[in-house]
Amino acid sequence: DGGITQSPKYLFRKEGQNVTLSCEQNLNHDAMYWYRQDPGQGLRLIYYSQIVNDFQKGDIAEGYSVSREKKESFPLTVTSAQKNPTAFYLCASSLPGVYGYTFGSGTRLTVV
Amino acid sequence: QQQVKQSPQSLIVQKGGISIINCAYENTAFDYFPWYQQFPGKGPALLIAIRPDVSEKKEGRFTISFNKSAKQFSLHIMDSQPGDSATYFCAASLQTGANNLFFGTGTRLTVIP
Repeated sequence: DGGITQSPKYLFRKEGQNVTLSCEQNLNHDAMYWYRQDPGQGLRLIYYSQIVNDFQKGDIAEGYSVSREKKESFPLTVTSAQKNPTAFYLCASSLPGVYGYTFGSGTRLTVV
Repeated sequence: QQQVKQSPQSLIVQKGGISIINCAYENTAFDYFPWYQQFPGKGPALLIAIRPDVSEKKEGRFTISFNKSAKQFSLHIMDSQPGDSATYFCAASLQTGANNLFFGTGTRLTVIP
């Protein structure tokens, strides 16, 4: 089955630590995205990538970093510079010229 | 600037009632309008979508009504069920490029038995 796999489902981070969230897709989609969702809130774009080795900042990129070394993978690192990282993180992918995004099942990050 | 405005933020409906969520947009270049359904702890999933050349699309109990001149579209859920309780996002899309899907802020629907 084609889809997007996010791991882990739950992640706990101590203050001051960097953590990396994994996103892998086997849909052969070119574009990939990271969104942040806070309780009762909408989707806010962190970063997106249209092709390998290229990515652009979204609306709330501060405190986050990404890489796109492979078409299938788009990991997100939440750095210690992110002051309020506790949230639900969603990865998505799409094909240019094709409507709509496919989402993963999310990673819930909690700072302890 | 919010490209797609969605209301209400939350909605409580009795079982069997009609749930209505409204969205509005400004960019007339949008040419695809999907609705996503998100259950707690899950990612959003495409529910139903419409293109601006039709005024209505129905899939089971879910209907999109589209008013091109008013630049508004809405989701109607007929005979609402407790299992429909979820957050619903409207969106609008441009055909070209990436980062071409703009989401509304979401509506949390609760259907009371």
